[in-house]
Amino acid sequence: DAGITQSPRHKVTETGTPVTLRCHQTENHRYMYWYRQDPGHGLRLIHYSYGVKDTDKGEVSDGYSVSRSKTEDFLLTLESATSSQTSVYFCAISPQRGAHNEQFFGPGTRLTVL
Amino acid sequence: AQSVTQLGSHVSVSEGALVLLRCNYSSSVPPYLFWYVQYPNQGLQLLLKYTSAATLVKGINGFEAEFKKSETSFHLTKPSAHMSDAAEYFCAVSDQNQGGKLIFGQGTELSVKP
Repeated sequence: DAGITQSPRHKVTETGTPVTLRCHQTENHRYMYWYRQDPGHGLRLIHYSYGVKDTDKGEVSDGYSVSRSKTEDFLLTLESATSSQTSVYFCAISPQRGAHNEQFFGPGTRLTVL
Repeated sequence: AQSVTQLGSHVSVSEGALVLLRCNYSSSVPPYLFWYVQYPNQGLQLLLKYTSAATLVKGINGFEAEFKKSETSFHLTKPSAHMSDAAEYFCAVSDQNQGGKLIFGQGTELSVKP
Protein backbone atom coordinates (compact mmCIF):
# COMPACT_ATOMS: atom_id res chain seq x y z
CA ASP A 1 0.00 0.00 0.00
CA ALA A 2 1.11 3.49 -0.79
CA GLY A 3 2.21 5.34 2.33
CA ILE A 4 -0.61 7.82 2.71
CA THR A 5 -2.16 8.84 6.00
CA GLN A 6 -4.94 11.28 6.69
CA SER A 7 -5.69 13.00 9.95
CA PRO A 8 -8.01 13.18 11.65
CA ARG A 9 -9.94 10.14 10.47
CA HIS A 10 -13.18 11.42 11.96
CA LYS A 11 -14.21 14.90 12.99
CA VAL A 12 -17.41 16.52 14.17
CA THR A 13 -17.50 20.29 14.17
CA GLU A 14 -19.97 23.14 14.24
CA THR A 15 -21.01 25.52 11.50
CA GLY A 16 -18.66 28.48 11.20
CA THR A 17 -15.69 26.71 12.73
CA PRO A 18 -12.40 26.51 10.80
CA VAL A 19 -11.24 22.98 10.04
CA THR A 20 -7.94 21.69 8.67
CA LEU A 21 -7.45 18.20 7.29
CA ARG A 22 -3.99 16.80 6.76
CA CYS A 23 -2.67 14.42 4.16
CA HIS A 24 0.80 12.99 4.70
CA GLN A 25 2.70 10.79 2.25
CA THR A 26 5.96 8.89 2.49
CA GLU A 27 6.24 8.11 -1.24
CA ASN A 28 7.84 11.41 -2.33
CA HIS A 29 5.20 11.74 -5.06
CA ARG A 30 4.96 15.13 -6.71
CA TYR A 31 1.22 15.29 -7.29
CA MET A 32 -1.38 15.38 -4.54
CA TYR A 33 -5.14 15.74 -4.73
CA TRP A 34 -8.08 16.37 -2.42
CA TYR A 35 -11.48 14.88 -3.26
CA ARG A 36 -14.80 14.80 -1.51
CA GLN A 37 -17.11 11.81 -1.75
CA ASP A 38 -20.88 12.22 -1.54
CA PRO A 39 -23.63 9.70 -2.30
CA GLY A 40 -24.72 9.89 -5.91
CA HIS A 41 -21.77 12.07 -6.91
CA GLY A 42 -18.80 9.73 -6.78
CA LEU A 43 -15.60 11.61 -6.01
CA ARG A 44 -15.17 15.24 -6.98
CA LEU A 45 -11.86 17.08 -7.12
CA ILE A 46 -11.51 20.00 -4.71
CA HIS A 47 -7.91 21.12 -5.18
CA TYR A 48 -4.68 19.60 -6.35
CA SER A 49 -0.97 20.29 -6.10
CA TYR A 50 1.79 19.70 -8.62
CA GLY A 51 4.64 20.60 -6.31
CA VAL A 52 5.61 22.51 -3.21
CA LYS A 53 3.69 25.80 -3.13
CA ASP A 54 2.05 24.98 -6.49
CA THR A 55 -1.67 24.36 -6.23
CA ASP A 56 -4.74 24.73 -8.41
CA LYS A 57 -8.50 24.52 -8.14
CA GLY A 58 -10.66 21.55 -8.97
CA GLU A 59 -14.34 21.43 -9.82
CA VAL A 60 -15.71 22.05 -6.29
CA SER A 61 -13.18 24.42 -4.74
CA ASP A 62 -15.52 27.07 -3.30
CA GLY A 63 -15.18 27.28 0.47
CA TYR A 64 -11.88 25.38 0.53
CA SER A 65 -8.24 26.38 0.50
CA VAL A 66 -5.07 24.30 0.43
CA SER A 67 -1.42 24.62 1.23
CA ARG A 68 1.65 22.58 0.49
CA SER A 69 4.84 23.74 2.17
CA LYS A 70 6.56 20.35 2.04
CA THR A 71 6.46 17.54 -0.51
CA GLU A 72 4.97 15.14 2.01
CA ASP A 73 2.13 17.26 3.39
CA PHE A 74 -0.98 18.65 1.72
CA LEU A 75 -3.43 20.52 3.94
CA LEU A 76 -7.08 21.19 3.18
CA THR A 77 -8.73 24.02 5.10
CA LEU A 78 -12.38 24.87 5.47
CA GLU A 79 -12.21 28.51 6.60
CA SER A 80 -15.75 28.51 7.95
CA ALA A 81 -17.37 25.10 7.82
CA THR A 82 -20.94 24.74 6.54
CA SER A 83 -23.31 21.78 6.72
CA SER A 84 -22.93 21.30 2.95
CA GLN A 85 -19.31 20.40 3.58
CA THR A 86 -20.29 17.32 5.56
CA SER A 87 -18.63 14.62 3.51
CA VAL A 88 -15.87 12.05 3.34
CA TYR A 89 -12.61 13.59 2.17
CA PHE A 90 -9.94 11.62 0.36
CA CYS A 91 -6.39 12.52 -0.41
CA ALA A 92 -4.65 10.96 -3.40
CA ILE A 93 -1.11 11.01 -4.73
CA SER A 94 0.52 10.33 -8.07
CA PRO A 95 4.18 10.18 -9.06
CA GLN A 96 3.84 11.92 -12.39
CA ARG A 97 1.51 14.19 -14.28
CA GLY A 98 -0.15 12.30 -17.04
CA ALA A 99 -3.50 10.88 -17.87
CA HIS A 100 -2.25 7.30 -17.80
CA ASN A 101 -0.94 7.50 -14.26
CA GLU A 102 -3.05 6.01 -11.53
CA GLN A 103 -3.70 7.81 -8.28
CA PHE A 104 -3.20 6.18 -4.89
CA PHE A 105 -5.75 7.02 -2.25
CA GLY A 106 -5.59 7.55 1.48
CA PRO A 107 -8.07 6.04 3.96
CA GLY A 108 -10.31 9.12 4.11
CA THR A 109 -11.55 11.58 6.72
CA ARG A 110 -15.21 11.62 7.66
CA LEU A 111 -16.24 15.19 8.49
CA THR A 112 -19.59 16.10 10.01
CA VAL A 113 -20.57 19.76 10.26
CA LEU A 114 -23.49 20.34 12.64
CA ALA B 1 -16.08 18.12 -21.28
CA GLN B 2 -15.41 14.66 -20.03
CA SER B 3 -17.96 12.69 -18.12
CA VAL B 4 -18.59 9.18 -16.85
CA THR B 5 -21.93 7.47 -16.35
CA GLN B 6 -22.31 4.30 -14.36
CA LEU B 7 -25.59 2.56 -15.03
CA GLY B 8 -27.14 1.28 -11.84
CA SER B 9 -26.26 2.62 -8.41
CA HIS B 10 -26.88 -0.80 -6.89
CA VAL B 11 -26.26 -4.23 -8.40
CA SER B 12 -27.01 -7.48 -6.61
CA VAL B 13 -25.77 -10.89 -7.74
CA SER B 14 -25.64 -14.35 -6.25
CA GLU B 15 -22.35 -15.90 -5.27
CA GLY B 16 -20.88 -17.64 -8.32
CA ALA B 17 -22.86 -15.55 -10.80
CA LEU B 18 -21.48 -13.20 -13.43
CA VAL B 19 -20.70 -9.68 -12.33
CA LEU B 20 -21.33 -6.91 -14.88
CA LEU B 21 -20.91 -3.27 -13.90
CA ARG B 22 -21.55 -0.75 -16.64
CA CYS B 23 -19.57 2.37 -17.44
CA ASN B 24 -19.99 4.76 -20.34
CA TYR B 25 -17.73 7.72 -20.91
CA SER B 26 -17.70 10.92 -22.89
CA SER B 27 -14.42 12.35 -24.06
CA SER B 28 -13.35 14.49 -27.00
CA VAL B 29 -9.92 12.86 -27.11
CA PRO B 30 -8.78 9.26 -26.65
CA PRO B 31 -9.42 8.57 -23.00
CA TYR B 32 -7.62 6.75 -20.29
CA LEU B 33 -10.05 4.74 -18.18
CA PHE B 34 -9.85 3.33 -14.68
CA TRP B 35 -11.88 1.13 -12.38
CA TYR B 36 -11.42 1.56 -8.65
CA VAL B 37 -12.92 -0.47 -5.80
CA GLN B 38 -13.79 0.84 -2.36
CA TYR B 39 -14.36 -1.58 0.51
CA PRO B 40 -16.33 -0.31 3.51
CA ASN B 41 -14.56 2.41 5.47
CA GLN B 42 -11.52 2.31 3.23
CA GLY B 43 -9.97 4.37 0.48
CA LEU B 44 -10.08 3.54 -3.20
CA GLN B 45 -7.91 0.82 -4.70
CA LEU B 46 -7.10 0.47 -8.39
CA LEU B 47 -8.64 -2.59 -10.04
CA LEU B 48 -7.43 -1.99 -13.58
CA LYS B 49 -6.74 0.70 -16.15
CA TYR B 50 -6.94 1.17 -19.91
CA THR B 51 -4.15 3.20 -21.48
CA SER B 52 -4.68 2.53 -25.21
CA ALA B 53 -2.81 -0.77 -25.41
CA ALA B 54 -4.97 -3.91 -25.41
CA THR B 55 -8.69 -3.27 -25.40
CA LEU B 56 -9.31 -6.14 -22.97
CA VAL B 57 -7.72 -5.25 -19.68
CA LYS B 58 -7.21 -7.71 -16.86
CA GLY B 59 -7.07 -6.50 -13.31
CA ILE B 60 -6.77 -7.80 -9.81
CA ASN B 61 -9.12 -10.27 -8.10
CA GLY B 62 -10.28 -11.80 -11.40
CA PHE B 63 -11.86 -8.64 -12.80
CA GLU B 64 -11.48 -7.50 -16.38
CA ALA B 65 -12.87 -4.73 -18.56
CA GLU B 66 -13.20 -4.22 -22.28
CA PHE B 67 -12.74 -0.87 -23.98
CA LYS B 68 -15.25 -0.41 -26.80
CA LYS B 69 -14.71 2.85 -28.63
CA SER B 70 -17.78 2.45 -30.85
CA GLU B 71 -19.98 2.13 -27.77
CA THR B 72 -17.95 4.55 -25.59
CA SER B 73 -18.06 1.88 -22.91
CA PHE B 74 -15.69 0.30 -20.42
CA HIS B 75 -17.77 -2.29 -18.59
CA LEU B 76 -16.31 -4.28 -15.70
CA THR B 77 -16.88 -8.03 -15.50
CA LYS B 78 -16.01 -11.01 -13.36
CA PRO B 79 -17.12 -14.51 -14.32
CA SER B 80 -17.95 -15.72 -10.82
CA ALA B 81 -18.80 -13.43 -7.91
CA HIS B 82 -17.38 -14.04 -4.48
CA MET B 83 -18.72 -12.72 -1.21
CA SER B 84 -15.53 -10.68 -0.79
CA ASP B 85 -16.38 -8.73 -3.98
CA ALA B 86 -19.10 -6.81 -2.15
CA ALA B 87 -17.94 -3.20 -2.34
CA GLU B 88 -18.49 0.04 -4.22
CA TYR B 89 -16.97 0.34 -7.67
CA PHE B 90 -16.04 3.55 -9.43
CA CYS B 91 -15.26 4.13 -13.08
CA ALA B 92 -13.08 7.16 -13.90
CA VAL B 93 -11.78 8.89 -17.02
CA SER B 94 -8.75 11.02 -17.65
CA ASP B 95 -7.17 12.58 -20.70
CA GLN B 96 -3.95 14.28 -21.67
CA ASN B 97 -5.62 17.66 -21.83
CA GLN B 98 -6.48 17.44 -18.15
CA GLY B 99 -3.02 16.49 -16.96
CA GLY B 100 -4.04 13.45 -15.00
CA LYS B 101 -7.11 14.77 -13.27
CA LEU B 102 -9.72 12.06 -12.86
CA ILE B 103 -13.44 12.43 -13.46
CA PHE B 104 -15.38 9.80 -11.53
CA GLY B 105 -18.72 8.18 -12.12
CA GLN B 106 -21.23 8.16 -9.29
CA GLY B 107 -20.35 4.64 -8.23
CA THR B 108 -22.07 1.25 -8.21
CA GLU B 109 -22.57 -0.68 -5.01
CA LEU B 110 -22.23 -4.41 -5.56
CA SER B 111 -23.98 -6.80 -3.20
CA VAL B 112 -23.28 -10.53 -3.30
CA LYS B 113 -25.90 -12.91 -1.95
CA PRO B 114 -24.97 -16.32 -0.58
